[in-house]
Amino acid sequence: ELKVEQNPLFLSMQEGKNYTIYCNYSTTSDRLYWYRQDPGKSLESLFVLLSNGAVKQEGRLMASLDTKARLSTLHITAAVHDLSATYFCAVDIVGKLTFGTGTRLTIIP
Amino acid sequence: DTAVSQTPKYLVTQMGNDKSIKCEQNLGHDTMYWYKQDSKKFLKIMFSYNNKELIINETVPNRFSPKSPDKAHLNLHINSLELGDSAVYFCASSQGDLYADTQYFGPGTRLTVL
Repeated sequence: ELKVEQNPLFLSMQEGKNYTIYCNYSTTSDRLYWYRQDPGKSLESLFVLLSNGAVKQEGRLMASLDTKARLSTLHITAAVHDLSATYFCAVDIVGKLTFGTGTRLTIIP
Repeated sequence: DTAVSQTPKYLVTQMGNDKSIKCEQNLGHDTMYWYKQDSKKFLKIMFSYNNKELIINETVPNRFSPKSPDKAHLNLHINSLELGDSAVYFCASSQGDLYADTQYFGPGTRLTVL
């Protein structure tokens, strides 16, 4: 059974700092998604990573995928308060998404 | 324009009742999904339909029955509701099936069973 683990589960960071969220998964896949969820809201797609070595960037967020290590990272640069949310990675195996545990990110002024 | 919509947004009901949640997407996608998010925010797929045909059916109690009248709609009926069914249920849609594109999620339905 596919296992998808994120760490850390909770992250408080100061504005302006950099940090990385890690997503490890247990079965070979070359399709991985990152989603954002604000409290009480739906999931918003951030990135789609479709091959080994894929790197995508949007604003202060950058995601990468290493399929050989079965690892994806979501890097936050110079965090701002608006980035406070829960971030999920999700691994795609023949159209079925298995979500990670989520990382609740709080940006402190 | 709402891409994936769900009704109702909130549902409070007693144990043992039967309830339905409706989902509609106007994205022209041919695959739709139901997910359950529990109180710890863990998200798990329940069902997936492609062009009205069931393609993913996870280990879900048979009290849960999805129905897809057409490829733009996927409803979820739950019989004999139990306390453990309390959760947020998300509908989603995507283009494609085995190699689906990004899934777009609805706003969620918060179900509370008393």
